[in-house]
Amino acid sequence: KAGVTQTPRYLIKTRGQQVTLSCSPISGHRSVSWYQQTPGQGLQFLFEYFSETQRNKGNFPGRFSGRQFSNSRSEMNVSTLELGDSALYLCASSLDSLANTDTQYFGPGTRLTVL
Amino acid sequence: GQNIDQPTEMTATEGAIVQINCTYQTSGFNGLFWYQQHAGEAPTFLSYNVLDGLEEKGRFSSFLSRSKGYSYLLLKELQMKDSASYLCAVRGGYQKVTFGTGTKLQVIP
Repeated sequence: KAGVTQTPRYLIKTRGQQVTLSCSPISGHRSVSWYQQTPGQGLQFLFEYFSETQRNKGNFPGRFSGRQFSNSRSEMNVSTLELGDSALYLCASSLDSLANTDTQYFGPGTRLTVL
Repeated sequence: GQNIDQPTEMTATEGAIVQINCTYQTSGFNGLFWYQQHAGEAPTFLSYNVLDGLEEKGRFSSFLSRSKGYSYLLLKELQMKDSASYLCAVRGGYQKVTFGTGTKLQVIP
């Protein structure tokens, strides 16, 4: 089974621009979560989608948004980029996060640099 | 809210045993996970605990005490390839998963 894939792997943008990141979950997985990882803050939860619906949301500003398609693929969008948005963005998929034993599997991440 | 604490860094010797602690305070508890993350790579799943006690998986074991809000990851017979960050994560209320900042383990010869 193919793992979680994320595109692009690396991205350089300038302040004020917007960016869209893509995540394809493991086949059969219906839950997709997004995280931001920075050296000082660790993994910060952005949001989680299940069956095209946002089921959980972290404490990020409205500039961060996402969506999930009927094939479970997900995208996240960041508008009006700021320098502080430079980070590794990780996507994780799982079968169904409502099950306690549900385990998340991570993609390789997208390294975003904002200049 | 949820708060998870882990030591920032640890150093251990090849062949030795190391214990990485994690304490948590969460609103609701539905399980605790440990992940390993090598530099520049994605986190990979190591273990899951939802009941008190020890779960053993080869050289790695994870322990949970729900009453104390405490877990540890035990790595035996350390190898150089075990040098990585180890992330503790808690599934709390509404099934939301919160990660600690991770413990960077350096294994030295």
